[in-house]
Amino acid sequence: DQQVKQNSPSLSVQEGRISILNCDYTNSMFDYFLWYKKYPAEGPTFLISISSIKDKNEDGRFTVFLNKSAKHLSLHIVPSQPGDSAVYFCAARFGSGNTGKLIFGQGTTLQVKP
Amino acid sequence: NAGVTQTPKFRVLKTGQSMTLLCAQDMNHEYMYWYRQDPGMGLRLIHYSVGEGTTAKGEVPDGYNVSRLKKQNFLLGLESAAPSQTSVYFCASSQLAGRYNEQFFGPGTRLTVL
Repeated sequence: DQQVKQNSPSLSVQEGRISILNCDYTNSMFDYFLWYKKYPAEGPTFLISISSIKDKNEDGRFTVFLNKSAKHLSLHIVPSQPGDSAVYFCAARFGSGNTGKLIFGQGTTLQVKP
Repeated sequence: NAGVTQTPKFRVLKTGQSMTLLCAQDMNHEYMYWYRQDPGMGLRLIHYSVGEGTTAKGEVPDGYNVSRLKKQNFLLGLESAAPSQTSVYFCASSQLAGRYNEQFFGPGTRLTVL
């Protein structure tokens, strides 16, 4: 039972264009959503987050959009740069229990071509 | 400030052997987590701890044990390794009940069980 799904295993875009990574979830009890970025042979690093009470959060070139009715979120990277090439994980946090547990999606490998 | 460190970085075991993976964090975080990453599966939570002396099961706890004797250390043990435990293992830590519990990850341990 995959509660957080990233249905696109990979995405390739040209440098300077927009990259859009998608994530779907099933559990309406999630209260925060996070995006992590992972380079080969390194641990994931936090990129950006959004509260379930918001519909948009922006940080420089990165913007996350949340559509609660569709249980869908997306990460937009504009403009894309070759250094953005990495695996991107979507994660969701349960609102109750105060354990800080995150449920991760399968990841999407982004390739930005020069 | 090293953040989250993991020992060892690589290990090859034979079926039935045991080993312990060590995670250490110097950020005084209360929460610590162990994940495994497998192709197409994302990051799956094995066990976690919400404070010194506490541990709890995650999504995939079978075949693993953990201990949190000191706040800064979280140990993951495999008592009798199986080929299905071949994976990359990540440790993470986070602050107590932060705004969105951003988790900080270590660099990972690549384990192969023959």
